[in-house]
Amino acid sequence: AQSVTQLGSHVSVSEGALVLLRCNYSSSVPPYLFWYVQYPNQGLQLLLKYTTGATLVKGINGFEAEFKKSETSFHLTKPSAHMSDAAEYFCAVSDPGTGNQFYFGTGTSLTVIP
Amino acid sequence: EAQVTQNPRYLITVTGKKLTVTCSQNMNHEYMSWYRQDPGLGLRQIYYSMNVEVTDKGDVPEGYKVSRKEKRNFPLILESPSPNQTSLYFCASSLLLAGGLGEQFFGPGTRLTVL
Repeated sequence: AQSVTQLGSHVSVSEGALVLLRCNYSSSVPPYLFWYVQYPNQGLQLLLKYTTGATLVKGINGFEAEFKKSETSFHLTKPSAHMSDAAEYFCAVSDPGTGNQFYFGTGTSLTVIP
Repeated sequence: EAQVTQNPRYLITVTGKKLTVTCSQNMNHEYMSWYRQDPGLGLRQIYYSMNVEVTDKGDVPEGYKVSRKEKRNFPLILESPSPNQTSLYFCASSLLLAGGLGEQFFGPGTRLTVL
């Protein structure tokens, strides 16, 4: 089965600082990769996705992520954190090599300090 | 508006009382899925369906049933709920692409408490 690892269940950054949320996956075949955000008491919203093509993917709200096949990583970054970025972030993988399941990481809770 | 709807949004029930959570999507997606979200565990897939009358187990199927009689609907059935099924449940749908699943579109969630 596929596994998705998000290092750091809680990350705190100061407002205006770089946001870096880490995600590694276990598939040997390049999967489709996604980042979702969940604001308190809400559902999940897609931030960005990688399927094919350019490995640097830009998403909503100034976030971007880079697919690195050699590192099996898909880390999420934002140059300057805003208070409104405080939320739970989930990395997810769709791996054609293991059927049609969708695998999520355990999530990273981002706190932005004023 | 393209959306996934779930009902009810909140449910408190007692052990052993059968319940159904409905899910419907209006995007003509082939793929539908149910997840449960628990603190520290992220989202775990319960069941998924690739099309009408085609369903398969995810990682945590025990205690749940599903059916896919119509493309748009994918109800989740708990025939004898237990307290360990207290959780936040999400339904999602997506397209089936050549290289895998497209992005999942999520419903608003159903918060279930089993006493």
